[in-house]
Amino acid sequence: GENVEQHPSTLSVQEGDSAVIKCTYSDSASNYFPWYKQELGKRPQLIIDIRSNVGEKKDQRIAVTLNKTAKHFSLHITETQPEDSAVYFCAASLMTNSGYALNFGKGTSLLVTP
Amino acid sequence: DAEITQSPRHKITETGRQVTLACHQTWNHNNMFWYRQDLGHGLRLIHYSYGVQDTNKGEVSDGYSVSRSNTEDLPLTLESAASSQTSVYFCASSLTSGSDTQYFGPGTRLTVL
Repeated sequence: GENVEQHPSTLSVQEGDSAVIKCTYSDSASNYFPWYKQELGKRPQLIIDIRSNVGEKKDQRIAVTLNKTAKHFSLHITETQPEDSAVYFCAASLMTNSGYALNFGKGTSLLVTP
Repeated sequence: DAEITQSPRHKITETGRQVTLACHQTWNHNNMFWYRQDLGHGLRLIHYSYGVQDTNKGEVSDGYSVSRSNTEDLPLTLESAASSQTSVYFCASSLTSGSDTQYFGPGTRLTVL
């Protein structure tokens, strides 16, 4: 199937610093790009998403940028806090025979140290 | 409140046994998905359904089956459990299509001995 590459696999930052996670995708038909946060032992939860007709979207301390030409999108977290520590997954929509599904990256484990 | 639930939350079984994991959502979502999560592999799609009587194979469907007899439920069956199927299984649902927000259930941790 089509791949979503996510980097880095682990990221450690000091509280207050910014964190950036990058993803690339290969399916040019992808038009929806969500980001999920998963705390230890919990379910993945949507934190922000972006569609292909938009280049950037912000929600308080988090933002996502999309470059459709280069087929990459990024998650930016500013003023990081210890509670931001979690695994973050990017995903890209992919066309199937019957409709759309999501293809996920392998995740980035973010650690924010006080 | 509408929600998505999974049962059991934890299951230990033996190699060769048939196992069924339940997923139930009360949002009246058309689309339901099953993923498995393994360290280093992220979330991989097993099967999905876009409506009643519709089922489709995902990236890692071998050894798994699903059926969709109503809108609310998409049970996942392991026909003959193997140790390689030890994993955490997540069910998800979305309203319109795979390009819409997917909401995840709490997960089922399955151990095959």
